Amino acid sequence: AQKVTQAQTEISVVEKEDVTLDCVYETRDTTYYLFWYKQPPSGELVFLIRRNSFDEQNEISGRYSWNFQKSTSSFNFTITASQVVDSAVYFCALMNNNAGNMLTFGGGTRLMVKP
Amino acid sequence: DVKVTQSSRYLVKRTGEKVFLECVQDMDHENMFWYRQDPGLGLRLIYFSYDVKMKEKGDIPEGYSVSREKKERFSLILESASTNQTSMYLCASSSSQGSNYEQYFGPGTRLTVT
Repeated sequence: AQKVTQAQTEISVVEKEDVTLDCVYETRDTTYYLFWYKQPPSGELVFLIRRNSFDEQNEISGRYSWNFQKSTSSFNFTITASQVVDSAVYFCALMNNNAGNMLTFGGGTRLMVKP
Repeated sequence: DVKVTQSSRYLVKRTGEKVFLECVQDMDHENMFWYRQDPGLGLRLIYFSYDVKMKEKGDIPEGYSVSREKKERFSLILESASTNQTSMYLCASSSSQGSNYEQYFGPGTRLTVT
C-alpha cells in the first residue's frame, strides 16, 4: 500500500522568510513518481513539479526548490523569500508505475504568509 | 491550455436527493478522475476512468457511481445524497500518451447536503 504523509498541517511565516514543507512517502515499488501541487484560495490545483524515482537530483525553479532523498523517503519543498501570494494549501502526491496514473495524496499543508 | 470545467462551483442538496456532478475536459485525455477533498485528509480518489464506458473504483467508491459516455465528459452520481457526502469534489484528467502523467484539475464543486 502507498502512503504520503505531510506532518505539518499549517505553517505561518512572515513575508521574506524561507519555509520548508515536508513530505514523506511509503511505497514498495522501485519505480514511482512524486508530485507537488499548489491549491490557492480559488480552489484549482496547480501542478508544480514531478520527479521520478530514478532522478534524485534536486531542482530549483526561481524561489522554489525541491529536495528528493530516497534514503529517507522524503521529497521536501522549500520556498525562499516567501511572498503573500504563496499562501495556499500544498499537496505532495505519489504515483507508482503500475497504478494507472492514480495519485495518492498527502493531507496537505496550509501555508499562510503574512505581510 | 488544458481546461477542465465542472458544472457548478457550489451546490446545496437535501438528504436523499440524487445528485449529478459533471466534468468536461477539452484536451482529448484518456484518463479522468473524481476526488473528494476533506480537511486533513487531502484528496481521496472516488472513481477513475481510462476510456469511454470504462470505470475503476478508487479508494472510497461507496455511495457513488460514475458515467463516461463520451471521452470528454465524466459524471459523478450520488444516488441518494447523505450529510457525510458534504465535501469539495474535484475532477481531473490526464493523458495516457508519453510519460507526462500530470493530472489537470478543475476548480472543484463544493457540495453541501442538508
